[in-house]
Amino acid sequence: ETGVTQSPTHLIKTRGQQVTLRCSSQSGHNTVSWYQQALGQGPQFIFQYYREEENGRGNFPPRFSGLQFPNYSSELNVNALELDDSALYLCASSTGQGIAGELFFGEGSRLTVL
Amino acid sequence: AQRVTQPEKLLSVFKGAPVELKCNYSYSGSPELFWYVQYSRQRLQLLLRHISRESIKGFTADLNKGETSFHLKKPFAQEEDSAMYYCALLTGGGNKLTFGTGTQLKVEL
Repeated sequence: ETGVTQSPTHLIKTRGQQVTLRCSSQSGHNTVSWYQQALGQGPQFIFQYYREEENGRGNFPPRFSGLQFPNYSSELNVNALELDDSALYLCASSTGQGIAGELFFGEGSRLTVL
Repeated sequence: AQRVTQPEKLLSVFKGAPVELKCNYSYSGSPELFWYVQYSRQRLQLLLRHISRESIKGFTADLNKGETSFHLKKPFAQEEDSAMYYCALLTGGGNKLTFGTGTQLKVEL
């Protein structure tokens, strides 16, 4: 069974640029959630995708957007990067038939905005 | 608004000592609570959830609605328990989790 994989693992961008982060969900999982984890904080919910549709969104501006593909992989896009966007971005997959609240996390993509 | 509070950033105990990691929540609905753990160089993973009322790796957690708490306990700490622990609340009608800021547990020999 393949776990959740994310790419890239690290990246550096400058303020105003755009970034795309990628996630492959665990085999058999049709739901993907994205979380932002700033240094010293817990993960904060960005949004969730279920069967290619956005299914809930946290308190993040519209410049944070996402996609889910037919194979249930997903992308997180952030436009007009700001310094405060520097964080670890976690992808988590789950299945509608699984245990509610049981998310399977990737190792994250660490974004640094200069 | 929903909120999860973990008052301790770091908890240091000796091996064999009891452990209690504190978690308080604020939520207007019926709460479903979880503990997630991150061991060194590993990904975040589910440790236990209140609804299953099970013991995992010797850890238990009881939901106290009167005190709005979900503290994680273990009677005898082991070195391998050293990790970052996050309390999380299920909200939003789906699999959206609201996490606390986490407590780093350090078990000393």
